[in-house]
Amino acid sequence: EVQLVETGGGLIQPGGSLRLSCAASGFTVSSNYMSWVRQAPGKGLEWVSVIYSGGSTYYADSVKGRFTISRDNSKNTLYLQMNSLRAEDTAVYYCARASQWLVRGYYYYGMDVWGQGTTVTVSS
Amino acid sequence: DIQMTQSPSSLSASVGDRVTITCRASQSISSYLNWYQQKPGKAPKLLIYAASSLQSGVPSRFSGSGSGTDFTLTISSLQPEDFATYYCQQSYSTPGTFGPGTKVDIK
Repeated sequence: EVQLVETGGGLIQPGGSLRLSCAASGFTVSSNYMSWVRQAPGKGLEWVSVIYSGGSTYYADSVKGRFTISRDNSKNTLYLQMNSLRAEDTAVYYCARASQWLVRGYYYYGMDVWGQGTTVTVSS
Repeated sequence: DIQMTQSPSSLSASVGDRVTITCRASQSISSYLNWYQQKPGKAPKLLIYAASSLQSGVPSRFSGSGSGTDFTLTISSLQPEDFATYYCQQSYSTPGTFGPGTKVDIK
């Protein structure tokens, strides 16, 4: 079964650090685009970061320089290292796989597998 | 970054109604547009990719159209399980920005 399971969320004080993990089963993390998406309480979805199959990484401006996306191929696991956490980072964090489809001669991507989410609360 | 807008922000509809949600991009994104459905407390679910391609397992009452900057998600006959929030997302460039969402609730 294709599945993503996030762990690592919790209550953390402003300025602190936390590492989220996303364990994959049924597919290979390193062969796919993998993303983190977050959702603040009562708010919409916010794209956070992506790691491409080739290893390139990109971040939202709101987290750039503070968050680091990575993967451990031996554990088939995606990570998000979050440093210098702020109250506005409080959210449910989802990891997601982006699959690729060839449509009318072009490749398109969409996040077709999502984890259940892990809650990060930044508060003193 | 590409900005995404959606309208309406919410709507009330009855079972059996035809529902249309609009998404607009701040610049042309060709057909690089996805639609997701999210129910309370659950992860989003991919409905449509490439603006009009139905994801496997998604009922055929869902359809998408558009290209360039203007896109539409249509539910041809609303079912009880369709009451949820719908988000568009552009996959044309990084960051893959989402629209603010459209909440569909029961009339």
